[in-house]
Amino acid sequence: NAGVTQTPKFRVLKTGQSMTLLCAQDMNHEYMYWYRQDPGMGLRLIHYSVGEGTTAKGEVPDGYNVSRLKKQNFLLGLESAAPSQTSVYFCASSYSGGVGQFFGPGTRLTVL
Amino acid sequence: AQSVTQPDIHITVSEGASLELRCNYSYGATPYLFWYVQSPGQGLQLLLKYFSGDTLVQGIKGFEAEFKRSQSSFNLRKPSVHWSDAAEYFCAVGANDYKLSFGAGTTVTVRA
Repeated sequence: NAGVTQTPKFRVLKTGQSMTLLCAQDMNHEYMYWYRQDPGMGLRLIHYSVGEGTTAKGEVPDGYNVSRLKKQNFLLGLESAAPSQTSVYFCASSYSGGVGQFFGPGTRLTVL
Repeated sequence: AQSVTQPDIHITVSEGASLELRCNYSYGATPYLFWYVQSPGQGLQLLLKYFSGDTLVQGIKGFEAEFKRSQSSFNLRKPSVHWSDAAEYFCAVGANDYKLSFGAGTTVTVRA
């Protein structure tokens, strides 16, 4: 099993460009999440999904959109990138019931 | 609102010495509590979790944590640190195992 994978690993964008980050999991998890990690701030939840076809806002959703068309995939979109979105983005997935979240390796995004 | 405080930004410990990382949380009821470890350039790996039962929980890699409701704490401990334990450690709290709030993290340096 690959676990949670993220594509791409690195990306550099110019201000105003758009892009989509892909997260895939092969553990049949119901729940999936997108976080951003910034120095000294830990991880902050951007959006999450509790099942195929559902999404919900997390702590810092502005400037991002998500889609969960298939159970195994969770996409994070930036429609018009801003320098403030320079960060490391992590995807995670889990079952319900307190077993904890499984994280992907991260995507390092730089917006110039 | 739920929140987590990790008072120590950086801890340096000698190899073979004991380690304790502090975590204080704010939450109204009995929370779900987690400790994660992040090695450089990697995603987060779950060390251990608590949501009910015995307040002393054992995790992977020889770590344990104790839930103290009266002190709103969930401190992580390891009796004897190995050089491979050098990493960043995150405490997280939530009403369930999604919509977690993460602390800012504690970086552990292990000296020979």
